[in-house]
Amino acid sequence: DAGVIQSPRHEVTEMGQEVTLRCKPISGHNSLFWYRQTMMRGLELLIYFNNNVPIDDSGMPEDRFSAKMPNASFSTLKIQPSEPRDSAVYFCASKQTGGSGELFFGEGSRLTVL
Amino acid sequence: KQEVTQIPAALSVPEGENLVLNCSFTDSAIYNLQWFRQDPGKGLTSLLLIQSSQREQTSGRLNASLDKSSGRSTLYIAASQPGDSATYLCAVKDDYKLSFGAGTTVTVRA
Repeated sequence: DAGVIQSPRHEVTEMGQEVTLRCKPISGHNSLFWYRQTMMRGLELLIYFNNNVPIDDSGMPEDRFSAKMPNASFSTLKIQPSEPRDSAVYFCASKQTGGSGELFFGEGSRLTVL
Repeated sequence: KQEVTQIPAALSVPEGENLVLNCSFTDSAIYNLQWFRQDPGKGLTSLLLIQSSQREQTSGRLNASLDKSSGRSTLYIAASQPGDSATYLCAVKDDYKLSFGAGTTVTVRA
């Protein structure tokens, strides 16, 4: 299996621009998570989907952030408009609901907002 | 709210020495605990998963123990090598959510 695939790996954009990050979970995994990692705050859960349905979005910082999962093999995290404080590494992770509960991460998308 | 603490924040050892990394958590009602490794600029790689009913889990030179009642887990890495240099994070799962510690950054000196 190719693992969790994220794109782009690096994104540099200017304040005010829209940013879209993409994730393909491991085939057969029906739980998907978006995390954000910064030096100051470590890893923070942004949103959790189960069977393509958002279950917990309490970690989404504000209305500028939105996430979708239109099908079992694709999810997006969108920031509009972006701000410099959004600069971070955004990780997507997936697992099977039930089973061992082991969580698998993608390589991350490093976002820099100038 | 679950709080996960990892001490020390950084550790430097000579090659061959055994590593002991600590993780503590405040709410013992967990489903499992997972140890990850993160290399600079990379994602998190799962090392070991311990279910709440287990006391320890082993994989090669790695051994992780879990004492749920005291809210502690320890990751042991035997005979450390320079390739073990990385940041190690523990995460505890309650319900569906993983709560992460800040990690311990390990440097193994050749």
